[in-house]
Amino acid sequence: DAGVTQSPTHLIKTRGQHVTLRCSPISGHKSVSWYQQVLGQGPQFIFQYYEKEERGRGNFPDRFSARQFPNYSSELNVNALLLGDSALYLCASSPTRQANNSPLHFGNGTRLTVT
Amino acid sequence: GESVGLHLPTLSVQEGDNSIINCAYSNSASDYFIWYKQESGKGPQFIIDIRSNMDKRQGQRVTVLLNKTVKHLSLQIAATQPGDSAVYFCAESKTGFQKLVFGTGTRLLVSP
Repeated sequence: DAGVTQSPTHLIKTRGQHVTLRCSPISGHKSVSWYQQVLGQGPQFIFQYYEKEERGRGNFPDRFSARQFPNYSSELNVNALLLGDSALYLCASSPTRQANNSPLHFGNGTRLTVT
Repeated sequence: GESVGLHLPTLSVQEGDNSIINCAYSNSASDYFIWYKQESGKGPQFIIDIRSNMDKRQGQRVTVLLNKTVKHLSLQIAATQPGDSAVYFCAESKTGFQKLVFGTGTRLLVSP
């Protein structure tokens, strides 16, 4: 079975540009979460979507937005890119809304470099 | 591949040794805890989880211990193998939420 898939795997953007990252969850999983992982640190929670609605948001500016589609895939959008947005962006899926009912399964991420 | 963590605490062991990786969690209200393994260039991979109504849980070659009194979590890996070399993260959550809060990670290096 396919795991969580993310595209693209690598991306280079310039400050001020906009970026869209894509995620396809494991088949049957209705919850998608996004995390940002800066080099040398653990992942930090950005968003959770469940059944196409936002269910949680981390401490990130409004430049970050996301959505979930009827097929449960998801997009993360970041506007007005800053150098500090350079990171590995991870998508995770789960069949349930709550973490303690089923662990999150992560994709391999999109490595975003902002120059 | 890229290094996941350049300045992480590092545990170096010999192949066949038992490894113990420790984690202090922050929120006394957290009631669900997970260990993830992250290899270079990959996303975190689920290893084992434990709920707060348990003190210990065992998997294949791994054991997680939870001490709620001191907010401490540990991961024990038996008969460590070179393939176990990676960065290990603990993460915490609480009922009603899916947000995971990750620790800073520990790099495990296994020498043959």
